[in-house]
Amino acid sequence: AQSVTQLDSQVPVFEEAPVELRCNYSSSVSVYLFWYVQYPNQGLQLLLKYLSGSTLVKGINGFEAEFNKSQTSFHLRKPSVHISDTAEYFCAVRNNQGGKLIFGQGTELSVKP
Amino acid sequence: KAGVTQTPRYLIKTRGQQVTLSCSPISGHRSVSWYQQTPGQGLQFLFEYFSETQRNKGNFPGRFSGRQFSNSRSEMNVSTLELGDSALYLCASSSNGDTEAFFGQGTRLTVV
Repeated sequence: AQSVTQLDSQVPVFEEAPVELRCNYSSSVSVYLFWYVQYPNQGLQLLLKYLSGSTLVKGINGFEAEFNKSQTSFHLRKPSVHISDTAEYFCAVRNNQGGKLIFGQGTELSVKP
Repeated sequence: KAGVTQTPRYLIKTRGQQVTLSCSPISGHRSVSWYQQTPGQGLQFLFEYFSETQRNKGNFPGRFSGRQFSNSRSEMNVSTLELGDSALYLCASSSNGDTEAFFGQGTRLTVV
């Protein structure tokens, strides 16, 4: 079985500051890892994914994440945030044999001017 | 390429009624999954269909059911609605269910 823990429920940050949203996972098998973003009253949009290969993954909107197998983490980072990045962010895992996505509880990123 | 389309976007139903939600996946995708999103429970997996067969099922009561048609479109049905079924229902499609999933805008169901 897999589980995902997003360590911060809310992250307030000023515009143009860097941000890191933390995600830890637990799994007894190899997994694929994902970050999704959800804007108010919208569905989930895929930001980036780790399937295999390079542990540093670049996604859309200037976001990147690093897969750390020894620490079972997949933290999301952006060097300089914009007001438009205000949204809820979800980390998710799926075992590499397929099956359901397991989501964390979400991190609400609030970017202030 | 069109994305995942869910209809309707909003629904208001009365306790005890039933409801059917629809999802059209991305063209060529054969896997469709459904998730329920609530403030208290977060995102929870309902079921996955692949080539018209239910391949995985979450921990929801039998009132929640689904099906998939030969064109990969999927429907989910909830019978005997309860207040606690109020949620955002999200559909996700993927090519074969083992890599990334693409989500629709969701259907916001309110049970009164």
